[in-house]
Amino acid sequence: QLVLTQSPSASASLGASVKLTCTLSSGHSNYAIAWHQQQPEKGPRYLMKVNSDGSHSKGDGIPDRFSGSRSGAERYLTISSLQSEDEADYYCQTWGTGIGVFGGGTKLTVL
Amino acid sequence: QVQLVQSGAEVEKPGASVKVSCKASGYTFTRHDINWVRQAPGQGLEWMGWMNPNSGNTGYAQTFQGRVTITRNTSISTAYMELSSLRSEDTAVYYCARGRWEGSLYYFDYWGQGTLVTVSS
Repeated sequence: QLVLTQSPSASASLGASVKLTCTLSSGHSNYAIAWHQQQPEKGPRYLMKVNSDGSHSKGDGIPDRFSGSRSGAERYLTISSLQSEDEADYYCQTWGTGIGVFGGGTKLTVL
Repeated sequence: QVQLVQSGAEVEKPGASVKVSCKASGYTFTRHDINWVRQAPGQGLEWMGWMNPNSGNTGYAQTFQGRVTITRNTSISTAYMELSSLRSEDTAVYYCARGRWEGSLYYFDYWGQGTLVTVSS
């Protein structure tokens, strides 16, 4: 069964960097994923997709501070030079056989 | 620019149905799927289903099979999601999202602003 696993929470200081992780279930380590950001009281916003080779492509207007990478079954979202507006929930998403799959989301707190 | 604009908040009684609309602009409506995703209060995102606006073909998550119907009116570039037999657990914000294939990944590149549906007697 295709499952995406995320840590429920993460925190980092203003101006620092943070790396969020999305882990693909066994047997699905070659899947690409997308990252979506949801700021408080707002709808989700597409950030980028991370391919199975670790390359990534970002959505319109997404700052260079956001980047993606991979290692094995893990897909990463790295945010550098953290700003207060980066405090949000981050969801990874992929596609199974005709169904959409989301991770449980990571709540990022900027200290 | 691509925009998905959804209809306003709804309050429905248990057992009733609700129909939420999603009007697309800034691109050719029939060239991209529309998906529906919901978010219960304090919870994560849950995918409900997809529709190809060109063919009208649909696919639904097993959780919602038999209760959800996604349709469209191509003349006004609008998609609809109808959920029937509502119960209190259906209280959530419902989002439409444009779907696209890129390589092996199908993902959601634009989202609507969300529609709050409250189910309460």
